[in-house]
Parts: sequence; C-alpha cells; structure tokens
Amino acid sequence: QVQLQEAGPGLVEPSQTLSLTCTVSGGSISSGRDYWSWIRQPAGQGLEWIGRIYIGGGSVIYNPSLKSRVTISTDTSKNQFSLRLTSVTAADTAVYFCAREPILSFGVIVTSGFDYWGQGALVTVSS
Amino acid sequence: EIVLTQSPGTLSLSLGERAIVSCRASQSVSSSHLAWYRQKPGQAPRLLIYGASNRATGVPDRFSGGGSGTDFTLIISRLEPEDFAVFYCQQYGTSPLTFGGGTKVEIK
Repeated sequence: QVQLQEAGPGLVEPSQTLSLTCTVSGGSISSGRDYWSWIRQPAGQGLEWIGRIYIGGGSVIYNPSLKSRVTISTDTSKNQFSLRLTSVTAADTAVYFCAREPILSFGVIVTSGFDYWGQGALVTVSS
Repeated sequence: EIVLTQSPGTLSLSLGERAIVSCRASQSVSSSHLAWYRQKPGQAPRLLIYGASNRATGVPDRFSGGGSGTDFTLIISRLEPEDFAVFYCQQYGTSPLTFGGGTKVEIK
C-alpha cells in the first residue's frame, strides 16, 4: 500500500520561502512509472495543481500561475520529493497535498489521475 | 488553460437518491483524461473515476462516469451516507492540470 506524508513548517512569514517534503512509502519514486505532484487547497475553496516531477525522464512542469516562484525536486535516497515556494503572501495560505499519478501507458502517455494522496499539510502565511 | 465548470454547485438530495454531476470543459479534454474525486471534510480527495468512465480500484459500482470531448458526467446511483461530500472533476491531459470548482452534495 502506497502512502504519502507531507512535512514542513506550518507557519511561514510573508516574503519568505515555503518548504515542504513528501515522503513516499510502499513504493519507489524512482520506478519511472509515476508522476509526483503538489496540489493545494485554500480553506473552503477548490483545488489548484502546483506542478509535478517525473524522475524517469527528469522532467518537471509547473502551473504557469506559480512557475516563477516554484521548485519541485527529489531526494531519491530518502524516497522523497519536495516543494519550494518563494516570496509567499497570505494568498499562499492553504492545505498542501502531495499525490501520485501513475502512468498506465508509455507509447502515448496515459495516466489515471491522482490515485494516492498525502493527508495534507496546512501552511499559514502570517507574521 | 482548460477551465472546468461543474454544475450544479450544490445538490440537495436524500439517502438512496440518484445524483448527477456535470463537468463542462472550455476545450476538448484529450484522450478523455478526465477524473472524478470525492472529498470529505478534513480529508484528501479520493479518486473515483479516471479516463472519464473507469472506476478506480475499490470504488463501489454505484459510481459511474461518462462523456467525452467537453461534456462529462458523474452519476451516483444511490446515495450512501459517505457520499454527502464535495465532488471534483479534473482534467489531466493538458498542462496545467486543472480542477472544477466542486459540487457539494448535501442531505435534503
């Protein structure tokens, strides 16, 4: 059973950098069979995809709305992937989720949506 | 960016009733890369349907999905207590991946 767990500071000051890690157990982020994403959800609002990383091809893509401030990276030795979001404001206050998107077919890439999610980490931006 | 519009915003129904949620895309969703999720308060979303009509592992058969192109539907044939929650559609065929605004199913 794959499990994902977010970790990081729950409070970040405005203009500082938000950093979260997602530890994956029950599966390897290096298998090359999955995309690994970050998604966030402000309180009482909908879901916003932040970006994803694919270790098999070494590719990372970001939501253009956040691209200038976001970095997603991996630490394969720890089976983790991470999120850094710079220059945060109160608008970045949200629950941050990490999630897995399995690749079903490689000829023409077919995936299946996010099948495993972390429980979510609330990050509040405030001084 | 593909904008997903869900309707209705809220559904007021009773246990055992049928729920129909619609999701309309601003442009065609490639290869029917459309998923549905259920989110209960304080929890992460749970994948219900992928590829527009395929039930995810362990999802009860009261959930079904359909549609293609720009119009998709989630049907819950008989509402159970755990189905009073918020449902989201999501397209994952075109970057940026996007979600609909959500449909809340509440007890009538």
